[in-house]
Amino acid sequence: EAQVTQNPRYLITVTGKKLTVTCSQNMNHEYMSWYRQDPGLGLRQIYYSMNVEVTDKGDVPEGYKVSRKEKRNFPLILESPSPNQTSLYFCASRRQSSYNEQFFGPGTRLTVL
Amino acid sequence: AQTVTQSQPEMSVQEAETVTLSCTYDTSENNYYLFWYKQPPSRQMILVIRQEAYKQQNATENRFSVNFQKAAKSFSLKISDSQLGDTAMYFCAFMKHGNTGTASKLTFGTGTRLQVTL
Repeated sequence: EAQVTQNPRYLITVTGKKLTVTCSQNMNHEYMSWYRQDPGLGLRQIYYSMNVEVTDKGDVPEGYKVSRKEKRNFPLILESPSPNQTSLYFCASRRQSSYNEQFFGPGTRLTVL
Repeated sequence: AQTVTQSQPEMSVQEAETVTLSCTYDTSENNYYLFWYKQPPSRQMILVIRQEAYKQQNATENRFSVNFQKAAKSFSLKISDSQLGDTAMYFCAFMKHGNTGTASKLTFGTGTRLQVTL
């Protein structure tokens, strides 16, 4: 089954404790991205990757890091989480040549205390 | 930069009735794509319908159809014969045409929460 997976689905942590949210897709998509969803703001892009070893900032990159060492994986790293990073996070992917649809993961609910 | 505006934070419709969700956008691009996504309580993002800007014909998917007015930069979603399962948050989204990283970004509106009642 074609899908984007994210882990963990739920995470409660404390300020300053480094964490990683994993994202993996099995569709051989070149393009992957991370979004955060906040009430009243919709979804906003954090980082994206056009292919392996090619990443760039989205609209709200502060406080986040990413890497793309393999085509299928695109982890989101919070080196020192803060309460304002409490949010719902989505990973998405699509084939670079297709404009039809981005496939979204199930979301990760992160709470930073 | 592109912006997407959904001016209806919440809407309610009775089962079997028709409801229209509004979306306007601002862009200087001529080629682009517009989407409606549904987010039920499960939080999964589900693509409902998409429209290519170069196509004049409005897209339809079963009970879902759009009214795309390119000159007015308007992209409304009509849900016919509403069902309880249509209860969800609905997001309008814009994507530029092209193969660059910025072109691949989805720009979302703030969402409309739709409640379908008996």
